[in-house]
Amino acid sequence: DAGITQSPRHKVTETGTPVTLRCHQTENHRYMYWYRQDPGHGLRLIHYSYGVKDTDKGEVSDGYSVSRSKTEDFLLTLESATSSQTSVYFCAIRDNYNSPLHFGNGTRLTVT
Amino acid sequence: QKEVEQNSGPLSVPEGAIASLNCTYSDRGSQSFFWYRQYSGKSPELIMFIYSNGDKEDGRFTAQLNKASQYVSLLIRDSQPSDSATYLCAVTQGGSEKLVFGKGTKLTVNP
Repeated sequence: DAGITQSPRHKVTETGTPVTLRCHQTENHRYMYWYRQDPGHGLRLIHYSYGVKDTDKGEVSDGYSVSRSKTEDFLLTLESATSSQTSVYFCAIRDNYNSPLHFGNGTRLTVT
Repeated sequence: QKEVEQNSGPLSVPEGAIASLNCTYSDRGSQSFFWYRQYSGKSPELIMFIYSNGDKEDGRFTAQLNKASQYVSLLIRDSQPSDSATYLCAVTQGGSEKLVFGKGTKLTVNP
């Protein structure tokens, strides 16, 4: 993997609890993305960042917030987890808006 | 939301055959196109990218882009059982940093 670390790799949490997923990169890439992947839906964009403190929404952003205080870290927060947020979450990075995405290993989140 | 459509599959081919995977997209402003391979339980990995109309070859893989018809395809020659995976088409939205994915086509290569 292109210097991308996601943590935790697996998490089980209860409905209503807050959850934060972390993505850390060592590539100094400008762009960072959070996707979720669900059967029948493919990869869907949650939020992305185009620089420190610069973020924007994707197609499934409701219930999620993000923060990027440093180039290398992009955090995804579920303020109050719901069962519909059970999914596999992937972080991805790229160095410019036309270059390919490179993915982390993913976080499997289960909300009970 | 701009759409990216792929043949849902599954697609099954014998070992040594050519596998053809297709993708259409709705955003005429799209400029960059990618093919990813994803094994079960793993993260997507980049196979090919293409920016200009025509063909681009890399080993057994050929990506084909036709912007006028808004489709991009991936050919896998001499298919191997190790090529069995889900293939994802991804397209950058015009004027945006967003990358939209199709739902993927599952390919099985039979020995």
